[in-house]
Amino acid sequence: QVQLQESGPGLVKPSETLSLSCSVSGDSLNDYYWNWIRQSPEKGLEWIGYVFYTGTTHYNPSFESRVTISIDTSKKEFSLRLTSVTAADTAVYYCARAEWEPRRRYFDLWGRGTPVIISS
Amino acid sequence: EIVLTQSPDTLSLSPGETATLSCRASQRVGSSFLAWYQQKPGQAPRVLIFGASNRATGIPDRFSGSGSETDFTLTISRLEPEDFAVYYCHYYGSSLPWTFGQGTKVEV
Repeated sequence: QVQLQESGPGLVKPSETLSLSCSVSGDSLNDYYWNWIRQSPEKGLEWIGYVFYTGTTHYNPSFESRVTISIDTSKKEFSLRLTSVTAADTAVYYCARAEWEPRRRYFDLWGRGTPVIISS
Repeated sequence: EIVLTQSPDTLSLSPGETATLSCRASQRVGSSFLAWYQQKPGQAPRVLIFGASNRATGIPDRFSGSGSETDFTLTISRLEPEDFAVYYCHYYGSSLPWTFGQGTKVEV
């Protein structure tokens, strides 16, 4: 059974960098897009970006200047870095999987989510 | 960016009734790249429908999806108590960024 598990600090100070990891168990990372999505009451669900198992990335323009998503297939994990955070980045952050095939590229597997609060 | 607008924001129904949820896209998205998710409090979203009308694995047949281009519908027949939740539509086609609707809450 494939599972995703987010990890990282739950509290980050304004202007600092938010760093999260997602560990994948039960399958390899090959042939999938690995995504970060966040959810807040103000903005709802927002797709932040993905990393393909080859290392190719694509980011939502709303985050592009501040975000880096990377992957380590040997460790079976991928990571999110979001710089210069503000209170508006307070949200529940999810990692999620999407297949490579375009018609099946919806999010078929999600982590449980990790809440992140931006506050001094 | 393709904006998805869901209606209504809230749907008040009773068990056994039928829920009809709408999702309208700001541009044509075809029928292959629209999904619906269910989210319950404290849980991650769960995919119900992909490709506008295909049920995901394990999803009961009381959930059905339809539509194409810019107008899509999720129908939940014979509402069960566990169906009261928030539902989101999601665009996942080639025109990035991928986007979500704002959600429709189905409540008792």
